[in-house]
Amino acid sequence: DTEVTQTPKHLVMGMTNKKSLKCEQHMGHRAMYWYKQKAKKPPELMFVYSYEKLSINESVPSRFSPECPNSSLLNLHLHALQPEDSALYLCASSQGPSRTNNSPLHFGNGTRLTVT
Amino acid sequence: DAKTTQPPSMDCAEGRAANLPCNHSTISGNEYVYWYRQIHSQGPQYIIHGLKNNETNEMASLIITEDRKSSTLILPHATLRDTAVYYCIKFREYGNKLVFGAGTILRVKS
Repeated sequence: DTEVTQTPKHLVMGMTNKKSLKCEQHMGHRAMYWYKQKAKKPPELMFVYSYEKLSINESVPSRFSPECPNSSLLNLHLHALQPEDSALYLCASSQGPSRTNNSPLHFGNGTRLTVT
Repeated sequence: DAKTTQPPSMDCAEGRAANLPCNHSTISGNEYVYWYRQIHSQGPQYIIHGLKNNETNEMASLIITEDRKSSTLILPHATLRDTAVYYCIKFREYGNKLVFGAGTILRVKS
């Protein structure tokens, strides 16, 4: 079990569907992250939220839309995806950037997404 | 910014120490060395991190060379459950991105 909870664990969606991935943490962390991982590849950073504001977007296509409603929740809204977007989507959180601390990221176990 | 360099794979006998090397010659002064591992179908799991000094916790030890250009993760008594991909990452939480390299596949064999 991890302290970062992702739902659903598995998702199958068509290319015209709209769906959302959800991520929740109750560790009081103020930074949250989305990563995408294809099979047999390392995770790739997509977005970073710091203190509920989007701080990093790694040139992700607009069919992926992140949202951070509050410091405990992170959503990833999906629309008009392509089959090549099928992957494991990982959420992570950390205490939040400061000049004095350097805390690790804590990852959830991901949502395995299949686009048909 | 160059990522770290790790061997693609390593084997280790069960019960023996596993020593995983990492080269991070481009590390800057305020970047830490982090180690994560990922067991099949799970999210990456934090293991340990350090800046200059050697570090030890309940999972592993981290040995960082004096020039900080390389490090070694030591699992003192490897078990079959330690079979995973191990990632060495240089990272500074403030204003930086945690970027994964290819990692090392560690196979622990009985």
